[in-house]
Amino acid sequence: SAVISQKPSRDICQRGTSLTIQCQVDSQVTMMFWYRQQPGQSLTLIATANQGSEATYESGFVIDKFPISRPNLTFSTLTVSNMSPEDSSIYLCSVATGVGTQYFGPGTRLLVL
Amino acid sequence: GQQLNQSPQSMFIQEGEDVSMNCTSSSIFNTWLWYKQEPGEGPVLLIALYKAGELTSNGRLTAQFGITRKDSFLNISASIPSDVGIYFCAGQNAGKSTFGDGTTLTVKP
Repeated sequence: SAVISQKPSRDICQRGTSLTIQCQVDSQVTMMFWYRQQPGQSLTLIATANQGSEATYESGFVIDKFPISRPNLTFSTLTVSNMSPEDSSIYLCSVATGVGTQYFGPGTRLLVL
Repeated sequence: GQQLNQSPQSMFIQEGEDVSMNCTSSSIFNTWLWYKQEPGEGPVLLIALYKAGELTSNGRLTAQFGITRKDSFLNISASIPSDVGIYFCAGQNAGKSTFGDGTTLTVKP
């Protein structure tokens, strides 16, 4: 398994500002992902964070709104840019450590006023 | 895109009862995963299934990978209050997972 930590665990932000969420894994992993989970909803994949290259975004998510960095095999950041109340959600970092195994961090709870 | 139908949406059961939930899809998946999420936490992996027809247990939890590769079920036997939470299924292909909408389980002592 993998132990994943995220910072911050929660934040309250003003609209128009940006927030960067950090994800740290206790071991090197090939694949890292960022998900969004809106209140009472399922998990939606935002993007796959690729080490050394640009992230791969899912339909409906763009780099200008959700820039992602992945400088090495244990760390990634997700920025939520120019926030609006619709961005209020839980943002989850996830990693894949082998075939079919996928683990999640504790999440970052974001409220945009 | 690929979509999963997870049912039931919610369950209210008495402690000690058995629970069954399932996921179906119109698409084939190579891996099925089952997660539990408690309030304020991220999803925790319960069981991973890698082969059609596979039946795997984890304590009181048992999950099966459907032979058509388009469905999976999760059973919880002799439920206890700490089983409360939201259970998600996920179908995975090429490392990318698609999640069901979750089954919210409430266990009455």
